[in-house]
Amino acid sequence: KQEVTQIPAALSVPEGENLVLNCSFTDSAIYNLQWFRQDPGKGLTSLLLIQSSQREQTSGRLNASLDKSSGRSTLYIAASQPGDSATYLCAVRGSSGSARQLTFGSGTQLTVLP
Amino acid sequence: EAGVAQSPRYKIIEKRQSVAFWCNPISGHATLYWYQQILGQGPKLLIQFQNNGVVDDSQLPKDRFSAERLKGVDSTLKIQPAKLEDSAVYLCASSLKGLVHSQTDTQYFGPGTRLTVL
Repeated sequence: KQEVTQIPAALSVPEGENLVLNCSFTDSAIYNLQWFRQDPGKGLTSLLLIQSSQREQTSGRLNASLDKSSGRSTLYIAASQPGDSATYLCAVRGSSGSARQLTFGSGTQLTVLP
Repeated sequence: EAGVAQSPRYKIIEKRQSVAFWCNPISGHATLYWYQQILGQGPKLLIQFQNNGVVDDSQLPKDRFSAERLKGVDSTLKIQPAKLEDSAVYLCASSLKGLVHSQTDTQYFGPGTRLTVL
């Protein structure tokens, strides 16, 4: 059974700092990996999706990397802003079975202080 | 384009009562998902529909939870009777393809329904 772990559970940084969020998963046979953002009282918004054949994806100030062999992914946020404050969730999609459901980590709650 | 709609946004009930949640996915999306997110945890898939057929309901507590997707569009999730441990946010998501082998098929989430069971 796939298990996804995110460390740290919470992180507080001053505005402008570069930061890295970590995600690890136990089964390396994945289809893809996604990073989501969740704001209080709102649903999840997909930030980046990395296919199993890819090593990284970039969108604006965000860069996500994937190392399948070690079961790790990182989300790098450059020049953090208070608007980046949210919970960031990592999710992996399995490569076997017709359903290929997403398995989520518990998230990292990020606070960027002005 | 309009996003995934859910109602109600909040619901408070007493244990042993019943409750129903409604979801309207993005138009044209074949696959619909219901997730349960307990405070401090990531979402857990309860059930996945492809059009109006169930693809995966392995984590749905079938003794008390039920779900249907009418005509392959809207969906309802019901809990009867509710327990204290059912307190959570219930998220609905949809994706364009679902089962089709597309590595880039993304799920779009609604705002969720926050259920409190007293």
